[in-house]
Amino acid sequence: DGGITQSPKYLFRKEGQNVTLSCEQNLNHDAMYWYRQDPGQGLRLIYYSQIVNDFQKGDIAEGYSVSREKKESFPLTVTSAQKNPTAFYLCASSINEGFGNEQFFGPGTRLTVL
Amino acid sequence: RKEVEQDPGPFNVPEGATVAFNCTYSNSASQSFFWYRQDCRKEPKLLMSVYSSGNEDGRFTAQLNRASQYISLLIRDSKLSDSATYLCVVNGGNYGGATNKLIFGTGTLLAVQP
Repeated sequence: DGGITQSPKYLFRKEGQNVTLSCEQNLNHDAMYWYRQDPGQGLRLIYYSQIVNDFQKGDIAEGYSVSREKKESFPLTVTSAQKNPTAFYLCASSINEGFGNEQFFGPGTRLTVL
Repeated sequence: RKEVEQDPGPFNVPEGATVAFNCTYSNSASQSFFWYRQDCRKEPKLLMSVYSSGNEDGRFTAQLNRASQYISLLIRDSKLSDSATYLCVVNGGNYGGATNKLIFGTGTLLAVQP
């Protein structure tokens, strides 16, 4: 089955801790994205990567970091510098970064800071 | 002005009804347009891309009016299973019209009643 997987589904973190969210795809897509969704708001872009070993900040990158060492994987680290990390985090991928290419989403990770 | 604006709803309609959702976008350089469906606490899933000539997929019809920067989605013969939040999605934003960066509306909630 081709698709995007994210883990864990639910994650609880204490204040001051860094946590890493996993995102893996076997669609052979070049481009990958991380979004955050808060209640009553649209998805907001955190980081994106057009190709292996390259990534750029999105609209709300502060307090987050990413890596893209493999085409299949795009993990997101939520650092202690992120002031309001409780949210639903969604990873997506598309064939490439050209416009018009559909983005497909993973099932998401719900992060709660205790 | 928000980059993508939608009526948040909720739209409560009986089974079999026809319902229309509207969306406006602010960036005239945007080149690609989508409707996504998001079920409660799940990831968004692509419903359909929207083309300049308009397009139809079964009970769903999407229209684009570039001059007015307006997108619509029509659902005919509503089913209980159509109950979800419908997200209007446009490319570009601050990144220009030729990129695959997506800007998401906050969504319109549809509740189809038996």
